[in-house]
Amino acid sequence: DSGVTQTPKHLITATGQRVTLRCSPRSGDLSVYWYQQSLDQGLQFLIQYYNGEERAKGNILERFSAQQFPDLHSELNLSSLELGDSALYFCASSPGAGTGFKLRFGSGTRLTVV
Amino acid sequence: QQQVKQSPQSLIVQKGGISIINCAYENTAFDYFPWYQQFPGKGPALLIAIRPDVSEKKEGRFTISFNKSAKQFSLHIMDSQPGDSATYFCAAKGNTPLVFGKGTRLSVIA
Repeated sequence: DSGVTQTPKHLITATGQRVTLRCSPRSGDLSVYWYQQSLDQGLQFLIQYYNGEERAKGNILERFSAQQFPDLHSELNLSSLELGDSALYFCASSPGAGTGFKLRFGSGTRLTVV
Repeated sequence: QQQVKQSPQSLIVQKGGISIINCAYENTAFDYFPWYQQFPGKGPALLIAIRPDVSEKKEGRFTISFNKSAKQFSLHIMDSQPGDSATYFCAAKGNTPLVFGKGTRLSVIA
């Protein structure tokens, strides 16, 4: 068990809608990372937060946003959803700020846009 | 632009055989190279990792071989077992969070 909790496990929504994915990091970890996994692109880094502050940004679309709250849980907001946004979204956590070492992943949220 | 290229996409190995997955990178700033294992319905989990100052690291049946001059590294799974059937991702890290290869789906058949 990685200690990283993601909810919901599955989400089905229509195009144009907005959804929120939630992640609770492993106890003691201050960094949260969001990754998108699709069949053809593999694991794509979206964004990292460290102790409430944005730390690094990857291939995150403008329609997507994230934040990390004082209790360290994080939310990924996806809006104006398109069919191509259907994917597995993973949250991972690590103890430090710029390490990225030993990322621990949650079990993911499978998003289906219909 | 894919920063870490992984091959093959899929691999079928007989039980007891050796599974070999290869990765190549371009960014010489990368200084940490982990491999992750992912089972269906689960998130990736760290399997083994290496830094570029060593050429090989072994943990049980899993070995990473690293060739700094060629900018390549590979995962070898000795005595492959059906329980090793999973998707394997190589990754690399420099001053940015981990970038992953596209994954290799390994099937170990009896």
